[in-house]
Amino acid sequence: RKEVEQDPGPFNVPEGATVAFNCTYSNSASQSFFWYRQDCRKEPKLLMSVYSSGNEDGRFTAQLNRASQYISLLIRDSKLSDSATYLCVSGGSGGYNKLIFGAGTRLAVHP
Amino acid sequence: EAQVTQNPRYLITVTGKKLTVTCSQNMNHEYMSWYRQDPGLGLRQIYYSMNVEVTDKGDVPEGYKVSRKEKRNFPLILESPSPNQTSLYFCASSLSLGGLSYEQYFGPGTRLTVT
Repeated sequence: RKEVEQDPGPFNVPEGATVAFNCTYSNSASQSFFWYRQDCRKEPKLLMSVYSSGNEDGRFTAQLNRASQYISLLIRDSKLSDSATYLCVSGGSGGYNKLIFGAGTRLAVHP
Repeated sequence: EAQVTQNPRYLITVTGKKLTVTCSQNMNHEYMSWYRQDPGLGLRQIYYSMNVEVTDKGDVPEGYKVSRKEKRNFPLILESPSPNQTSLYFCASSLSLGGLSYEQYFGPGTRLTVT
């Protein structure tokens, strides 16, 4: 079983739609979580950090469910520019900053 | 501007010809790491470094070497590249304080092809 699992998609949604991605992680000791965005084989860039139960930033909301060991990302009012791959990441618990990356969920927003 | 730089950005080479990919960061970060990204597998850690002269293996270290002689630089060395090392490589850096994991800043990537 992969340490961080994501549905690869693609999720094809129209502009203005609300879309949600889920991600599960296997290490119950993980303390920190992130969502990164990656465009077309460019470098991943941090979208949101999730250190407690959740985080909201404009149209983006991330939630953490420790009991079920999953993290979700909700995107409201999708824009064409949201088309990208979204990487779910869990932080290690060993104190040396290891990040475990999911393989990513691809989102395609169409007009 | 805070950034992580990598060179070269694209490289085509032949089996067995030693190569080095450079990585440099200007944020005074202690932690640096190398990843490779392959379709369907996500980012996998090759090596990481907690600070100068402190390096350790990640999940897929075979065939790679690293060094950390200065805080800002963390080169990746392929002594004898093979075709299965054809991949997209990213260098990343972050703070390293206590037990939490901090967001990592990535370089632009190096696309390596070994024929």
